[in-house]
Amino acid sequence: KAGVTQTPRYLIKTRGQQVTLSCSPISGHRSVSWYQQTPGQGLQFLFEYFSETQRNKGNFPGRFSGRQFSNSRSEMNVSTLELGDSALYLCASSLGSSGTEQFFGPGTRLTVL
Amino acid sequence: GESVGLHLPTLSVQEGDNSIINCAYSNSASDYFIWYKQESGKGPQFIIDIRSNMDKRQGQRVTVLLNKTVKHLSLQIAATQPGDSAVYFCAENPGAYKYIFGTGTRLKVLA
Repeated sequence: KAGVTQTPRYLIKTRGQQVTLSCSPISGHRSVSWYQQTPGQGLQFLFEYFSETQRNKGNFPGRFSGRQFSNSRSEMNVSTLELGDSALYLCASSLGSSGTEQFFGPGTRLTVL
Repeated sequence: GESVGLHLPTLSVQEGDNSIINCAYSNSASDYFIWYKQESGKGPQFIIDIRSNMDKRQGQRVTVLLNKTVKHLSLQIAATQPGDSAVYFCAENPGAYKYIFGTGTRLKVLA
């Protein structure tokens, strides 16, 4: 069974631009979560989607948004990029019930110049 | 606030020895925990999980121990191998469809 895939793997943007990252979950998984990973803050929860609905959101500004499609694929968008948004963005999928195994994709490395 | 922390940021272990990685969690409502391994340039890889109704769970060469009284988790790796070198994270699930991750422990296996 194919794992979680994320595209693109690497991205370079400049301040003020916006970016859209994509995540395809494991087949049959309906929950997709997004995390930001930086050396200073570690893995920080962004948001979680299940059946196209956001069920939880972390403490990030409104510039960070996401959505999920009917096929469970998810996108996250960051508008008005700042230097501090440079990070590894990770997507994880699970079946969706609380307390179930969560599997990660390889991540998208975003660099903001 | 909510946090999951690790006592040792870096652990160096001789090849063949056992490794023990510790983690403290803060949310007493957490009822599910996962250990992940992250190698350089890759996403976290699921290693083993444990529910709060258990205090020990074993996998292949790995054992997770849960002490709810002191809100402590540990990951034991038997006969540590060079391929075990990575950063290890614990994550707690306090419900509400989110996970809280620790800062990570880097495991270095010495030949």
